[in-house]
Amino acid sequence: GENVEQHPSTLSVQEGDSAVIKCTYSDSASNYFPWYKQELGKRPQLIIDIRSNVGEKKDQRIAVTLNKTAKHFSLHITETQPEDSAVYFCAENAGGTSYGKLTFGQGTILTVHP
Amino acid sequence: GAGVSQSPSNKVTEKGKDVELRCDPISGHTALYWYRQSLGQGLEFLIYFQGNSAPDKSGLPSDRFSAERTGGSVSTLTIQRTQQEDSAVYLCASSWTSGGSLSYEQYFGPGTRLTVT
Repeated sequence: GENVEQHPSTLSVQEGDSAVIKCTYSDSASNYFPWYKQELGKRPQLIIDIRSNVGEKKDQRIAVTLNKTAKHFSLHITETQPEDSAVYFCAENAGGTSYGKLTFGQGTILTVHP
Repeated sequence: GAGVSQSPSNKVTEKGKDVELRCDPISGHTALYWYRQSLGQGLEFLIYFQGNSAPDKSGLPSDRFSAERTGGSVSTLTIQRTQQEDSAVYLCASSWTSGGSLSYEQYFGPGTRLTVT
């Protein structure tokens, strides 16, 4: 079945530094890779996603890269700010008969120190 | 417009009791999903509804769990004979369809925190 490994489990950075979170997946049919941000006690919010036909996507300070050959994708946050502190989850959607099903990583607790 | 809503926000129940959790998806969204999030863990897929198709129940952990979606909108997740290991946050999400194609993007509700004592 599908499996998503996410690292690191915790990440602490100084304000202004960059943060990188990596995920690996096992299903070669996976074709959609979203990242969600979840603040304490709140709902997960989609912050960026990438499809399998694209290698990189950027949105202001956030970028996602995908390496389909190696089956891994990464979230990059530049110029981090204290409000970036949250739990970040990667996920993958294999499509086909599993179209609606997102398989999530275990999450990364990001702390940005002022 | 209004986002996905869920009720109740918190539910405390005794072991062995049945509970019902409700989800109101974003108006017009045809797909609805249920996930479970245990403390400090990622989200675990439970069940998925899309239009009039048979739901994908592959994530339900036991036959004590069931869900229905009435009129293609509101959904209810029912847990019978609750156990302490059922304690978690239950999240609902929905997706839209455009031109006959389902969007991959899922929008989440605030969740229901279930505590089984």
